[in-house]
Amino acid sequence: DGGITQSPKYLFRKEGQNVTLSCEQNLNHDAMYWYRQDPGQGLRLIYYSQIVNDFQKGDIAEGYSVSREKKESFPLTVTSAQKNPTAFYLCASSQDRTDTQYFGPGTRLTVL
Amino acid sequence: QKEVEQNSGPLSVPEGAIASLNCTYSDRVSQSFFWYRQYSGKSPELIMSIYSNGDKEDGRFTAQLNKASQYVSLLIRDSQPSDSATYLCAVNQGSNYQLIWGAGTKLIIKP
Repeated sequence: DGGITQSPKYLFRKEGQNVTLSCEQNLNHDAMYWYRQDPGQGLRLIYYSQIVNDFQKGDIAEGYSVSREKKESFPLTVTSAQKNPTAFYLCASSQDRTDTQYFGPGTRLTVL
Repeated sequence: QKEVEQNSGPLSVPEGAIASLNCTYSDRVSQSFFWYRQYSGKSPELIMSIYSNGDKEDGRFTAQLNKASQYVSLLIRDSQPSDSATYLCAVNQGSNYQLIWGAGTKLIIKP
């Protein structure tokens, strides 16, 4: 059963705390992406990776970090430097950077 | 700044009618165009992609691309209540292949 999984589905963060969102895919896709979605807004790109051990900042990378040690995995850490992290976080993957992107189910992060 | 514009709606359409969703983009070198559907609280799912001028049909859905006028549209025939969702337009920039997203149009199909 191929697809993209994200965990957890809901996450609550206290002020000053780092949290890590998981994203795994078994589609054998090279490219992976992290987006943030706020109510009434389009998706904004946080980070993307075109290949293992390589990743690039998107439009809103400040306060976030990623790693790409395995082709299947692209975890996102929301650091305490991100002052307004409450949002819906979406992970996507594609065969390559020009191809259609497919999304995981998302993680909804709330700051307490 | 590269932009993708959509009317936020809501667009209300009677069941069985044709729903027409529009999207304009600013970057003339854009090469790939995508329509995604997003139900409330869920992630986007791909409906159609289109790369060449003209129409592309898939079941009840038709995407229309006009590169000269820089717009792409999505037509939904025989609209069903299950089509009620937010429709996101995404455009692939030619220069760095980053997808630029519109804010989405909320579509409501009235039974």
